[in-house]
Amino acid sequence: EIVMTQSPATLSVSPGDRATLSCTASESININLAWYQQKPGQAPRLLIYGASTRATGIPVRFSGSGSGTEFTLTISSLQSEDFAVYYCQQYNNWPRYTFGQGTKLEIK
Amino acid sequence: QVQLVQSGAEVKKPGASVKVSCKASGYTFTLYGITWVRQAPGQGLEWMGWISTYNGNTDYAQKLQGRVTLTTDTSTSTVYMELRSLRSDDTAVYYCARDMEVPDSWGQGTLVTVSS
Repeated sequence: EIVMTQSPATLSVSPGDRATLSCTASESININLAWYQQKPGQAPRLLIYGASTRATGIPVRFSGSGSGTEFTLTISSLQSEDFAVYYCQQYNNWPRYTFGQGTKLEIK
Repeated sequence: QVQLVQSGAEVKKPGASVKVSCKASGYTFTLYGITWVRQAPGQGLEWMGWISTYNGNTDYAQKLQGRVTLTTDTSTSTVYMELRSLRSDDTAVYYCARDMEVPDSWGQGTLVTVSS
């Protein structure tokens, strides 16, 4: 099973600042990586797939990068609605997905 | 618009079974598979399984093999997830999601509570 590890577990950032979240795969997954945002009491929302392609309707302040085993999600200028938990997910072994444990993005 | 509507919350006793439905609308049902993911209270996301709505092929997480069954009814655009021999650690919110390569649209979730 491919293990996905996210860091940090919690990230405190001020509104308007940039946030950088990391995700590492235990083996190469090419660019078969997605990012999701989840707010309390809501289902996950797809943000990024193919490591860097924004899903429909996702603002341009969200960007993804990386390939192989190292990936990054960057939120360029944090808005109040961006504070949430973010998960990375590999689909190199589609449909046998594995998720990272999540990064909680909180207001500093 | 794409919608996945799941059945309501359930409370079950240990050893019982639960069957959760996921009704799709707003797209051609058989063009996308359906993935199921669960989330225990305060925990992360765990993939449970996938079903092809086209031919009924399935793939299940190894830890749930033998306890979970996914079925599809194309006449009503509905997928069902049945989990048997429930244990307390099956308490979770269960999500279905439309899936062609990645889960892109999700149901609202169904809370299943297992308690004696």
